[in-house]
Amino acid sequence: SQQGEEDPQALSIQEGENATMNCSYKTSINNLQWYRQNSGRGLVHLILIRSNEREKHSGRLRVTLDTSKKSSSLLITASRAADTASYFCATDAGNTGFQKLVFGTGTRLLVSP
Amino acid sequence: NAGVMQNPRHLVRRRGQEARLRCSPVKGHSHVYWYRQLPEEGLKFMVYLQKENIIDESGMPKERFSAEFPKEGPSILRIQQVVRGDSAAYFCASSPRIGAEGGVYGYTFGSGTRLTVV
Repeated sequence: SQQGEEDPQALSIQEGENATMNCSYKTSINNLQWYRQNSGRGLVHLILIRSNEREKHSGRLRVTLDTSKKSSSLLITASRAADTASYFCATDAGNTGFQKLVFGTGTRLLVSP
Repeated sequence: NAGVMQNPRHLVRRRGQEARLRCSPVKGHSHVYWYRQLPEEGLKFMVYLQKENIIDESGMPKERFSAEFPKEGPSILRIQQVVRGDSAAYFCASSPRIGAEGGVYGYTFGSGTRLTVV
């Protein structure tokens, strides 16, 4: 089964609102990454948080990591219609000598004008 | 500075034919990864390659699938005798060499090849 599972599966909000997506995983990790995928396109790397970090910011993005609960959250503040996409978390166990990412099933975000 | 280039974008094959998917990594990236995405699912790891070496192919089906990353030219994912279940989006990603300090980097993904087997 997938290492990461996102919640909710789908999220619909209005422009200007905040969007929060959660990710849970099952085993120890070296780092956790969030990616965005626009419909029919490849994935775009958003942010990487290491296992010894608890929170990270990048522009309108805020990521938290709770290794005791094996969970992470992605917050997008002041959302825009252009943020409409699927968002995936991906974990790297760090025990293979390279980045072998395990992706969740994603959260589909729809931001309406 | 071009990103990861994949071609073709769309590929239609009849059952039993061969599919060849190409991937040129970001210039300077020596690590290439192939992932498969089934409809409404996340990406699943298939294979990790460096130049002329397959490092980890634990996600590759045992039969009909092969991958290479030659010294010159793009990485190739080859699927022989395709079946309908092979229909999916195949993504290639690349990353820089992991730094001596142990730093890791997010992937740069290509736009994918959408394979349809009819």
